[in-house]
Amino acid sequence: GAGVSQSPSNKVTEKGKDVELRCDPISGHTALYWYRQSLGQGLEFLIYFQGNSAPDKSGLPSDRFSAERTGGSVSTLTIQRTQQEDSAVYLCASSLVDLATNEQFFGPGTRLTVL
Amino acid sequence: AQRVTQPEKLLSVFKGAPVELKCNYSYSGSPELFWYVQYSRQRLQLLLRHISRESIKGFTADLNKGETSFHLKKPFAQEEDSAMYYCALKSGGSNYKLTFGKGTLLTVNP
Repeated sequence: GAGVSQSPSNKVTEKGKDVELRCDPISGHTALYWYRQSLGQGLEFLIYFQGNSAPDKSGLPSDRFSAERTGGSVSTLTIQRTQQEDSAVYLCASSLVDLATNEQFFGPGTRLTVL
Repeated sequence: AQRVTQPEKLLSVFKGAPVELKCNYSYSGSPELFWYVQYSRQRLQLLLRHISRESIKGFTADLNKGETSFHLKKPFAQEEDSAMYYCALKSGGSNYKLTFGKGTLLTVNP
């Protein structure tokens, strides 16, 4: 079946503009995660959804970052008033809620460049 | 707070040599540890998890609670093992997020 998909694959924007990144998880996966991958920083956790609610938003770096999930499926990560330090690859992952495995399946990422 | 440390950013070995990628963690409870791998131009994917105690592609990792380590080992490295390796920790309970280390780029030379 289809894996996690993300769009766009690449996004170039100007400083100060807002951007929206989209994630389509694997069908049936109730858990969805956003991470940021940048040089020298590895993978940073941003936010975790269980269904449509976000029990852990602790990784969002500032109030310019927000995310929502509707219908227990698609999620969008919004970055307002983008800054150059927001440039990174944004990864989405999904998983079953399964204490036995908890394998997260990752999308290909969206590469964001803020000029 | 939980933390994962991978002390080596880069690791280079020759084909056929043993390889060990180090991972140390900090967590007060009972953690679950994972290794994820990202090959060139591919997605990040799970390599192995400590609860399975399995060997994948010749790699093994043993959780050492006394040393708070979860080092990844392979006795004979292959060129196709060249990739970025991330150690990750899941805390106990119902929060399924992963805390990742900063990764180690493994290069296996012919």
